[in-house]
Amino acid sequence: GQQLNQSPQSMFIQEGEDVSMNCTSSSIFNTWLWYKQDPGEGPVLLIALYKAGELTSNGRLTAQFGITRKDSFLNISASIPSDVGIYFCAGQTSGSRLTFGEGTQLTVNP
Amino acid sequence: NAGVTQTPKFQVLKTGQSMTLQCAQDMNHEYMSWYRQDPGMGLRLIHYSVGAGITDQGEVPNGYNVSRSTTEDFPLRLLSAAPSQTSVYFCASSPNGHGTDTQYFGPGTRLTVL
Repeated sequence: GQQLNQSPQSMFIQEGEDVSMNCTSSSIFNTWLWYKQDPGEGPVLLIALYKAGELTSNGRLTAQFGITRKDSFLNISASIPSDVGIYFCAGQTSGSRLTFGEGTQLTVNP
Repeated sequence: NAGVTQTPKFQVLKTGQSMTLQCAQDMNHEYMSWYRQDPGMGLRLIHYSVGAGITDQGEVPNGYNVSRSTTEDFPLRLLSAAPSQTSVYFCASSPNGHGTDTQYFGPGTRLTVL
């Protein structure tokens, strides 16, 4: 089946620093999605990307859909303590079946 | 709208027991799905449904059954629980199952099988 490789697995940063994480796949996706999961909660959609090369921002978050359609990255600028959580990428082909990456656990030290 | 609701929040079973995880949504979404989340493995699709009366298998369907008799409800049944089914289960829904839909997740059910 399709697999997504997400890196890094975990990050420990200081408040105010910028963060970058990415996902790569051997398969082509039509849509890339980035989710955040807080402890004890379900994932919440942060950004959705629909076209190769697309660069989309949501506040301090910026994500890009790779030109090859096999990768995507998420940047968080000027991190704050509430950015703590697990970030997942997800790729989508036809229909709504999502393939998730393994997640990046982000810790922000005040 | 309550969004996607799941019950129970926590459950402990003994090996061999059966149970049903409930999922409901009040957004009139056509597409619903079940995922399990295990440490270091992200979320994996168990079963999904593109509308009432239609279900299909996902990536890890073995040991689970689903039905979709109404648009609102999508229960997940464990027929004979095994320790390997210890996990966090998430239900999700989206408007019409197309590739550009946003999927909304419920809060999860934490299941332990002893």
